Amino acid sequence: DTGVSQNPRHKITKRGQNVTFRCDPISEHNRLYWYRQTLGQGPEFLTYFQNEAQLEKSRLLSDRFSAERPKGSFSTLEIQRTEQGDSAMYLCASRRWGANVLTFGAGSRLTVL
Amino acid sequence: DQQVKQNSPSLSVQEGRISILNCDYTNSMFDYFLWYKKYPAEGPTFLISISSIKDKNEDGRFTVFLNKSAKHLSLHIVPSQPGDSAVYFCAASALGGNQFYFGTGTSLTVIP
Repeated sequence: DTGVSQNPRHKITKRGQNVTFRCDPISEHNRLYWYRQTLGQGPEFLTYFQNEAQLEKSRLLSDRFSAERPKGSFSTLEIQRTEQGDSAMYLCASRRWGANVLTFGAGSRLTVL
Repeated sequence: DQQVKQNSPSLSVQEGRISILNCDYTNSMFDYFLWYKKYPAEGPTFLISISSIKDKNEDGRFTVFLNKSAKHLSLHIVPSQPGDSAVYFCAASALGGNQFYFGTGTSLTVIP
């Protein structure tokens, strides 16, 4: 069990640029979640995959955000035309079928200048 | 719409004493509750959970109490240790649901 891996750990970008984050879940976990955490807040749900199917999306996920999980393995979260308000920690978590616990990665911190 | 609330942003406790962290929720459909612990620059790590069919769950120094009528749960840490200093998040999910809703966290400082 190597845990949930997220890359890059920190990304600094200029407003208007596109950024992509990658998440490698625990291999036997078929469910994958993306959350966003801003200062002083708890993790906020963005989207959820069961295998390769994206089953739920939060209204927080504007049309500038897109997430994929090809082949039901790793996932990517892309933010297009970044805005300063996108600065946050982006957390990925995975969950085994039948379990009620999310296992989080260390997160990818985005700073938009 | 914050469905899970942690009204104390911070808590300081002397080493060896009890730490009590509180959490309230509004959605009566929630039936599973979790506590996560987060150190700086790390992701949240699972600590302990409780199902709505129970009112108490214990794991070593950590005990979670659930009061369904009050829609309230608490995490007790006894005895508190300096390594317990972290941000603690309460989370909840509903039967058949896939989302987990998190509170805003309580930063615990255990003073040696």
